Amino acid sequence: AQSVTQPDIHITVSEGASLELRCNYSYGATPYLFWYVQSPGQGLQLLLKYFSGDTLVQGIKGFEAEFKRSQSSFNLRKPSVHWSDAAEYFCAVSNNAGNMLTFGGGTRLMVKP
Amino acid sequence: DAGVIQSPRHEVTEMGQEVTLRCKPISGHDYLFWYRQTMMRGLELLIYFNNNVPIDDSGMPEDRFSAKMPNASFSTLKIQPSEPRDSAVYFCASSSQGGSHYGEQYFGPGTRLTVT
Repeated sequence: AQSVTQPDIHITVSEGASLELRCNYSYGATPYLFWYVQSPGQGLQLLLKYFSGDTLVQGIKGFEAEFKRSQSSFNLRKPSVHWSDAAEYFCAVSNNAGNMLTFGGGTRLMVKP
Repeated sequence: DAGVIQSPRHEVTEMGQEVTLRCKPISGHDYLFWYRQTMMRGLELLIYFNNNVPIDDSGMPEDRFSAKMPNASFSTLKIQPSEPRDSAVYFCASSSQGGSHYGEQYFGPGTRLTVT
């Protein structure tokens, strides 16, 4: 069965600092991987996805993620965090291109001024 | 497009009552998903439809839960009878398996259900 682990429940960074959110997955075949962001009281918004090809994928809002098969990881990065990035971030894996998503537990990001 | 529309946004009901949550997917999307989000269990997929047909309902917690999709623009999730442990935020999402947005799920704002 597929699973996703986000080791950090909470992360606090200063505005302007760099950010890396960790995601590890477990899946037998080539995974389809996603990062979503959820602002308080809202639904989830897709930041980026990886299906195949270049292992470094660019997303919206200046985010990027790198797929590392050897480490079963798909970490999310941003070079300079803005206060508006404060939200909860979810990593997800799918067995077939977006159906049957399995989500990690989420990482709540706080941004200090 | 207005995005995925869910109603109501908030629902407070008493234990034992029937609850119906509604969802209108994005026009042209052929997949529809229902999720539940709780602090204890996180985000869980309950059921999903393809072209109005239920494909996998293995996440539906028990027989008190049922979901229908009578046409491409409307779906319901019903809980009868409701229990306090059903309190959660329920999300609907839709996606299309064609084009450049292949596999991307678009989420509605959710319905916050409180069962007292």
